[in-house]
Amino acid sequence: SYKLTQPPSVSVSPGQTARITCSGDALPNKYGYWYQQKPGQAPVLVMYKDSERPSGIPERFSGSSSGTTVTLTISGVQAEDEADYYCQSSDSSGTYWVFGGGTKLTVL
Amino acid sequence: EVQLVQSGAEVKQPGQSLKISCKGSGYDFTTSWIGWVRQMPGKGLEWMGIIYPRDSDTRYSPSFQGQVTISADKSISTAYLQWSGLKAADTAIYYCARRGQTAGDSFDMWGRGTMVTVSS
Repeated sequence: SYKLTQPPSVSVSPGQTARITCSGDALPNKYGYWYQQKPGQAPVLVMYKDSERPSGIPERFSGSSSGTTVTLTISGVQAEDEADYYCQSSDSSGTYWVFGGGTKLTVL
Repeated sequence: EVQLVQSGAEVKQPGQSLKISCKGSGYDFTTSWIGWVRQMPGKGLEWMGIIYPRDSDTRYSPSFQGQVTISADKSISTAYLQWSGLKAADTAIYYCARRGQTAGDSFDMWGRGTMVTVSS
C-alpha cells in the first residue's frame, strides 16, 4: 500500500528554522497536508494543499512542494511549536488517504 | 459551535463487539465527509476510512477493509465505527474528523478521540 516517509525527528534551537520533509511517489500529482499534534491533544491542521495556511495558524508556518517531496517550514521556531508533525496525502487514484509516520520536533 | 463530539472511553474484552460514535453539530453534517483515524499507544496516525453521511458512500484504507465498519445516521448527525470481534491490537485512541469544504482532502476539524482498551 501507499506510504509517505518522514524523518523521525528534527531538532532546532529557538528562533531557528525547522524544515520537515515528507516523500511519496504520488505527491507530484496529489496535494500534501500537515497536522500538528501536541501530547494528549487531537491533531490540528496547519497546512493544506501544499502551501495554504488555515486561519489561525501563525505566519511562521509555510509549506512547499517539489517533485515527490512536500516540506513544512517553521521560521523563527518557538518553544510552543514543539510537537509531532504528520504529513498526509492520498494515493494516486485518490481513493484513500494516508499519513506519514510523523516527525517529532524538539525545540532545544 | 462547530464541533464533533465523540462517545466516551470503552474497556472491552477480546472477542466482544463495539460501536463508537461521533456527533457533529454547528454545520451541515450531511455534506461533509467524516473520517476515522487510529492512534495506537505511543504511535502515529493511521487513516482508517471515510464516509459521506448524505448517501453513506464509504471508503476504507486497505489496511482496515474488512476489520471495521463505518456507518452514519444523517438523521441524528452521527457517524459510527464498529467492530464485531475486538482484539488486543485494537487498543488505541480513535479520532473522528471532518473533511472540510475548502481545505481539499484533509481534516479541518477533529473530535477529542475515544480511547478503546481491549484486555482480558
